Amino acid sequence: EVQLLESGGGLVQPGGSLRLSCSASGFTLSNYAMNWVRQAPGKGLEWVSTISAGGGGTYYADSVKGRFTISSDDSKNTLFLQMNSLRGDDTAVYYCAKDMSYATLIGQYGMDDWGQGTTVTVSS
Amino acid sequence: DIQMTQSPSSVSASVGDRVTITCRTSQGISSWLAWYQQKPGKAPKLLIYAASILQSGVPSRFSGSGSGTDFTLTISSLQPEDFATYYCQQTNSFPPWTFGQGTKVEIK
Repeated sequence: EVQLLESGGGLVQPGGSLRLSCSASGFTLSNYAMNWVRQAPGKGLEWVSTISAGGGGTYYADSVKGRFTISSDDSKNTLFLQMNSLRGDDTAVYYCAKDMSYATLIGQYGMDDWGQGTTVTVSS
Repeated sequence: DIQMTQSPSSVSASVGDRVTITCRTSQGISSWLAWYQQKPGKAPKLLIYAASILQSGVPSRFSGSGSGTDFTLTISSLQPEDFATYYCQQTNSFPPWTFGQGTKVEIK
């Protein structure tokens, strides 16, 4: 059974940093593209970042480019999102989500497994 | 970037009703569209991919259709567990992946 468990969220001041983790089980992380998707309070879904299957490519929304870094540790089967220079509009629930397509750099069938989310609040 | 427009933003319906949600994209995406269901406080759940293919385990009352720029999600007979918010996502052009703004299906 696929499971994704996010952690690392919390309250941080503007300008601060957080590192989110997504521990994966039931599959090999490096065989799938992995995504971070966020949802601000009362708002819709916003794609944040993707790491391609195999880890060779990383992609970011314009809103986080230069501030966030996606990475993975294959030995721990864990996905990360390093978030720096945080702003109030980064406040959201952050989900990690697995691409549906096996061994495809970037799949086109959507995200078939999601974690429960971790909450990031940026406020002074 | 491909813009996504869902309509309506919300719909009130009764158990047993047929519900149709529309998603329009700013440019043609062939059949590269996914639909998700999200219940309050929960993660999204993939319902349909490639516009019309039902994800494993999803009830057959859900169906998707469309290609190009116009797509629909239909719930043939609304059940109590279907009251949720539904999102479309284009999976044609990356980056970025883009989502519709959501359609909330409420109890009438």
